[in-house]
Amino acid sequence: GIQVEQSPPDLILQEGANSTLRCNFSDSVNNLQWFHQNPWGQLINLFYIPSGTKQNGRLSATTVATERYSLLYISSSQTTDSGVYFCAVSSGYALNFGKGTSLLVTP
Amino acid sequence: DGGITQSPKYLFRKEGQNVTLSCEQNLNHDAMYWYRQDPGQGLRLIYYSQIVNDFQKGDIAEGYSVSREKKESFPLTVTSAQKNPTAFYLCASSISGLETQYFGPGTRLLVL
Repeated sequence: GIQVEQSPPDLILQEGANSTLRCNFSDSVNNLQWFHQNPWGQLINLFYIPSGTKQNGRLSATTVATERYSLLYISSSQTTDSGVYFCAVSSGYALNFGKGTSLLVTP
Repeated sequence: DGGITQSPKYLFRKEGQNVTLSCEQNLNHDAMYWYRQDPGQGLRLIYYSQIVNDFQKGDIAEGYSVSREKKESFPLTVTSAQKNPTAFYLCASSISGLETQYFGPGTRLLVL
């Protein structure tokens, strides 16, 4: 299957700071999603972004499919942004997940 | 409300016992999926189904079985052949196999 690498594995920020999370993948994809997993385990869809750029409030994402990477930007971070962020990709039907970036935002 | 429901939230299994995890969706999605998550890891695919009465094995199907008799339901059975079943199990659905996947709240399975 497609290999997915996320960096950094862990990140600690002070409230109000900005951050960039990266996702590299090993093959062409037709689906790329970013998720936020909250402390209760619920996976929340952030973006469906196999290519291009999207923005939703303080979050934005860019995927450069030809170079096989995607970036998730978090601006003006809040404590509620804490959790694990996953990138998942697919070239068929099922998603292949990275190991995630664990984000802790401190007051 | 439209969404995906999973039950139970927590499940305990004794050695040698089969247990079934429920997944129901009222989103009218054709495709449904089961994933397993171990601590500190990403999700891995167990089974998926693109249409009623059809399903495909994922990367870690050994020791699991599924059925898809109705569009809205995709139950997962963890059999006694699964030697390390303790994990967090997540069900997902999508309009078709190539669209955004939406996840249920998950079931935590523990072995006694």
